[in-house]
This record gives sequence, C-alpha cells and structure tokens, in this order.
Amino acid sequence: KAGVTQTPRYLIKTRGQQVTLSCSPISGHRSVSWYQQTPGQGLQFLFEYFSETQRNKGNFPGRFSGRQFSNSRSEMNVSTLELGDSALYLCASSLKAVDEQFFGPGTRLTVL
Amino acid sequence: AQSVAQPEDQVNVAEGNPLTVKCTYSVSGNPYLFWYVQYPNRGLQFLLKYITGDNLVKGSYGFEAEFNKSQTSFHLKKPSALVSDSALYFCAVRDRGADRGSTLGRLYFGRGTQLTVWP
Repeated sequence: KAGVTQTPRYLIKTRGQQVTLSCSPISGHRSVSWYQQTPGQGLQFLFEYFSETQRNKGNFPGRFSGRQFSNSRSEMNVSTLELGDSALYLCASSLKAVDEQFFGPGTRLTVL
Repeated sequence: AQSVAQPEDQVNVAEGNPLTVKCTYSVSGNPYLFWYVQYPNRGLQFLLKYITGDNLVKGSYGFEAEFNKSQTSFHLKKPSALVSDSALYFCAVRDRGADRGSTLGRLYFGRGTQLTVWP
C-alpha cells in the first residue's frame, strides 16, 4: 500500500500570499489530520477530518482552513501568510479515529 | 486543560544501556496512548499504542512502554539502546471524547524528546 503523500514537498511564498497544501491518505483511510511543526512550538494540531466532516479543530486563527473530499483526500489553505507560518506541515491518516496515525513526509513552507 | 508532558528535552545514553523516555499526561477519562518517532527530515512513524489491557505494551524496533494509570504516565523503554535509535520521540494522547460513539476527542502531542545514543 502506498503511504500518505503530500504535495508539494517544499514551498516558498511571500507575506500576504495564500497557499494550498494537499494530502492523499492511505487507501481506505477516512480520517485525516493536519499538524504544524516548528522548532519552537513543537507539533501543533490544526484540524481533523472524518468522512468529509471536520471533527476537531486546534487553536489556530481563521486564516487556516481545510477540507476533505469524498475520496478522503484533504487540502489545507493558509491565507494572508505571515512569517510565523513558516513550518513543516504534516498530514496523517488513519483507518478509524481511534487507530494510530500514519504520517506523510510533510510540506516545508517558507514565508519570506 | 488537557496536556501531555515530556519532561526531558534530551536523553543521552550509551549504546547497549537501557533507555527510558518519559511521558505524563493530563487527559480526562481513560485515554488512548501512543508513541511516535521522527528521524531527521522525515515524517513521524508509529511505534506503539495502549488502548486497554496489559499495562506493558510492546512495539516496533524492540521498544516497549508501560502504562501507569495512578501516575498518569506512559514511559517508553528499551532494554538495550542502539545508535540507530537516535531520533526525536513524541508521546501522544487521545481522549475518548464526550460522545462514546463515533466521535473521539483530539490527539495531543508532547513537545518531543531528542534521544541520542552514543557508541
């Protein structure tokens, strides 16, 4: 089985722009979660989707949004980028919400 | 507030010695408990989990973890460390949520512990 894939792997944007990151979960997995990882803040939970419904949301501003499609693929969008949004964005999928999560390699976002 | 604590930012051990990476949590109810490992420039990999049953859980690469309900701890252990075990380790806790049906609470991660095993 193919693992979790994330595109793009690297992204450079400037302040004020917006960005869309994509995540394809493992085939058959219906739960997708997104995390932001930075050296200073560690791993911060963004949101979790299950069967196209947002089940949980972390403490991030409204500039961060996401969605899940009927094929379980997920996208997250960050509008009006700030320097502090520079981070590794990780996507994870699981068969059921209670199961262990399988992580993708991440998208490294750099905001200049 | 729900939280997960990994009290040590770094753990250093010599190869062949036992290792322990500590994790304590403050999550209501009987949470699900996980350990993940992250190697440099790679995503997180699942190591082991505790859902219910025996307090000692065995996982990948010879790792095990002990659940202690009274101390709300889930320490990761390995009897004999390898240099290749050097990585960043994360403890994660998921509460069972208010709805015991299909809805579960979110997953909380600790800040991570950098394990270095020297030859």
